[in-house]
Amino acid sequence: LAKTTQPISMDSYEGQEVNITCSHNNIATNDYITWYQQFPSQGPRFIIQGYKTKVTNEVASLFIPADRKSSTLSLPRVSLSDTAVYYCLVGGWNAGNMLTFGGGTRLMVKP
Amino acid sequence: DGGITQSPKYLFRKEGQNVTLSCEQNLNHDAMYWYRQDPGQGLRLIYYSQIVNDFQKGDIAEGYSVSREKKESFPLTVTSAQKNPTAFYLCASGGDSENIQYFGAGTRLSVL
Repeated sequence: LAKTTQPISMDSYEGQEVNITCSHNNIATNDYITWYQQFPSQGPRFIIQGYKTKVTNEVASLFIPADRKSSTLSLPRVSLSDTAVYYCLVGGWNAGNMLTFGGGTRLMVKP
Repeated sequence: DGGITQSPKYLFRKEGQNVTLSCEQNLNHDAMYWYRQDPGQGLRLIYYSQIVNDFQKGDIAEGYSVSREKKESFPLTVTSAQKNPTAFYLCASGGDSENIQYFGAGTRLSVL
């Protein structure tokens, strides 16, 4: 399973764009990149998933360079309610669908 | 109302006691998972099941047991062999896309 590396924590202010980068140097050809958000005492919630290039949904954008060795989650105009832990995961069906959650990135949005 | 339901929300275990955490899903997912989360840490996989009547150990299966007799249900038993059971337990299901898992609200287990 590909190992991921993310910053432990980040601070931002309301209204700013936040970019969280994840490194996954040994990502396999059939691995997807998936991001989850977790609030305290709740289960993680799926945010976005991609394989290559750029993916955008109503919540976030995911940028994946051609070599796929990293990815960047972009949260536009964050609010206080975006304060949470964000996890980057890589994996594919061939891995038995097992996912490894690292420590994630603790995002603190300040007023 | 579709989703994953975990119960109870809070659970207390006495010394030497086995306790069972419930997880039910109505999303028609084939795969189900149990994770453990300690304070300030990420999630660690305990057991997972990709199909009824089959399950596999995850990274920290010792002291835990599971069953998968029905597609909708994947209960986790924390046995007396688990010496440090205090944690937040999360159940998830998946199967509608690559690696997307849907999580329940969690059960917080404490030792009396």
